[in-house]
Order: sequence, then structure tokens, then C-alpha cells
Amino acid sequence: QVQLQESGPGLVKPSETLSLTCTVSGGSISSHYWSWIRQSPGKGLEWIGYFSYSGSTTYNPSLRSRVTISGDASKNQFSLKLSSVTAADTAVYYCASGGWYLDPWGRGTLVTVSS
Amino acid sequence: EIVLTQSPGTLSLSPGERATLSCRASQSVSSNYLAWYQHKPGQAPRLLIYGASSRATGIPDRFSGSGSGTDFTLSISRLEPEDFAVYYCQQYGNSLPNTFGQGTKLEIK
Repeated sequence: QVQLQESGPGLVKPSETLSLTCTVSGGSISSHYWSWIRQSPGKGLEWIGYFSYSGSTTYNPSLRSRVTISGDASKNQFSLKLSSVTAADTAVYYCASGGWYLDPWGRGTLVTVSS
Repeated sequence: EIVLTQSPGTLSLSPGERATLSCRASQSVSSNYLAWYQHKPGQAPRLLIYGASSRATGIPDRFSGSGSGTDFTLSISRLEPEDFAVYYCQQYGNSLPNTFGQGTKLEIK
């Protein structure tokens, strides 16, 4: 079955770019849609956006100006870049399969924005 | 943006009891594009229900979803010890952005 694993720096400085990678096993990113979601401490889940390898991307309007989601089929990975981060971007970041309902998810990775 | 409000915030029940969780949308959810997830600490969230009432692969039949329009319900018929977790609803599809409810914590009484 499809499994996902997030990776990337756990600490990012304010104003810099957060970069995370999701490695997919048991399935190909060349098919289907792939999403990023985050959960800030003590808060609910926030959908960030999704992409398909065919070229379709859709982002949350609240983050659209700062977000890029893309994929690398040769590594079967997809990535998230979030620019100009602030403390409000501190969260557990999840990747997941799907663009609408999400199944399965990765376990998530905590990213803290701090100097 | 569709806002989802879940109630109650915390539900305290005993194993064997029935749980009923509510998710109310600020406007009608198109085509009943509503999902439910279970989330335990340190684990990946798990899809339970999609399309308001369709069980995901491998989900026990004690989990059921119902509702339409703006009012949706997740029911767990007989609680097992492993069912105690946080549950989220999510609307998706035509009404972007996809949004989640704030969650209901199901705890052991």
C-alpha cells in the first residue's frame, strides 16, 4: 500500500523559505493528486494545497502568494516550499495522497520558525 | 470559505457505548463532499469516511457517516478502546479552499 514520509529541516529562521519533501513508496506520484496540510500548535488542520504531475496545482488562497508545490518523478517525491515564513508558520506539516479526501497521510514533521 | 463547526469539543464515553459526533457547515457542502478522519497522537491521520457516508478501505462497520447539505454526523456504534482519539471532518471538492473542522476529542470516561 502507499506510504508517505515527510522530511526536511525542523528549524527555519523568520523571513526564510521552508522546504519539505514527501517521499512516496508503494505508488507513483505520476498518477493521482498529492497534498500538503499543516496543524499549528493547539489549532486545527489547514489545507495548504495539492498538485498533480500532469501539471495541475491548487493552493489555499490564504497562502497562495508564498507557496509552491512540485514533484520529482525520478525520485518519486513531491515538495513544499513556503517563503517569507514567520512564527505563525510553526506547525506540524503533513503530506497526503489525494486532492479532495486524503488517504493515506504521512506521520507529519514539526517545523519551528525561530531565530 | 466554508467553515465547519464540530460538536461537542470533547465527548467522554465508555467502551461499548455509542458515540455521535456532529459537523455543521456554514453553507451547503456540494455533492456531500465531506470526509471524516481519526487522529491519534504521533500517528498519521486516518481516513474513515468520504462522500459523507462511504467507508474507506479497511474501516470497521461500527463507523458510519450520514447527513447532507450543512449537517453531518459520524457515529461509532460500539466504542472499542482503540477508538479514543480526535476526529476531524473535512469538506472538499468544488468549494475551495478545502477546510477542516476544529476537531472533537473522544476520551474515555
